[in-house]
Amino acid sequence: GAVVSQHPSWVICKSGTSVKIECRSLDFQATTMFWYRQFPKQSLMLMATSNEGSKATYEQGVEKDKFLINHASLTLSTLTVTSAHPEDSSFYICSAPGGQGRSYGYTFGSGTRLTVV
Amino acid sequence: ELKVEQNPLFLSMQEGKNYTIYCNYSTTSDRLYWYRQDPGKSLESLFVLLSNGAVKQEGRLMASLDTKARLSTLHITAAVHDLSATYFCAVDPRKLTFGTGTRLQVTL
Repeated sequence: GAVVSQHPSWVICKSGTSVKIECRSLDFQATTMFWYRQFPKQSLMLMATSNEGSKATYEQGVEKDKFLINHASLTLSTLTVTSAHPEDSSFYICSAPGGQGRSYGYTFGSGTRLTVV
Repeated sequence: ELKVEQNPLFLSMQEGKNYTIYCNYSTTSDRLYWYRQDPGKSLESLFVLLSNGAVKQEGRLMASLDTKARLSTLHITAAVHDLSATYFCAVDPRKLTFGTGTRLQVTL
């Protein structure tokens, strides 16, 4: 079935540095990738939607210059958290439309735990 | 703005008993998803409900969808400890919007 590979699984970075998170679709082409953020004990909130070959669409309240999204190919989308601060510490999950059976509709990456110190 | 609400937010279940989680959403959607999330993990897909009246069952879990009432239920039969997790419903008019989540804890 469809798989979205997300890396890294966890990352600790110093305040002020940038961190890149990658999501790759394996065995299928993901023309669209959704990026979510999840704070502890909360639901998933959509941050932005990336589309291969065009600019990402950001949800209201999400800083475009802080969360840079690039969808360079049909199998790779990246999220870069620039000048990270402790309040950016969160669990980030990507998701691509596609999948079969129980996963029909959307396939999720394994998530990235970002801790900014 | 689409709102997806779940209740209860937290459910302490006794092993062997039955429980139901409710998912209400505020706008028309032909698709509804149920996911499970274990602590520190991503989402595991449980069910996809694609039409009004759809019912799906797997093991001790059964999900149903009433699009007219904008309501989905996740029924748990004879709860066991392995079902302890957080469960999310999500609707998909254009993009996936998640419910508030229900944290289930099964006690002996």
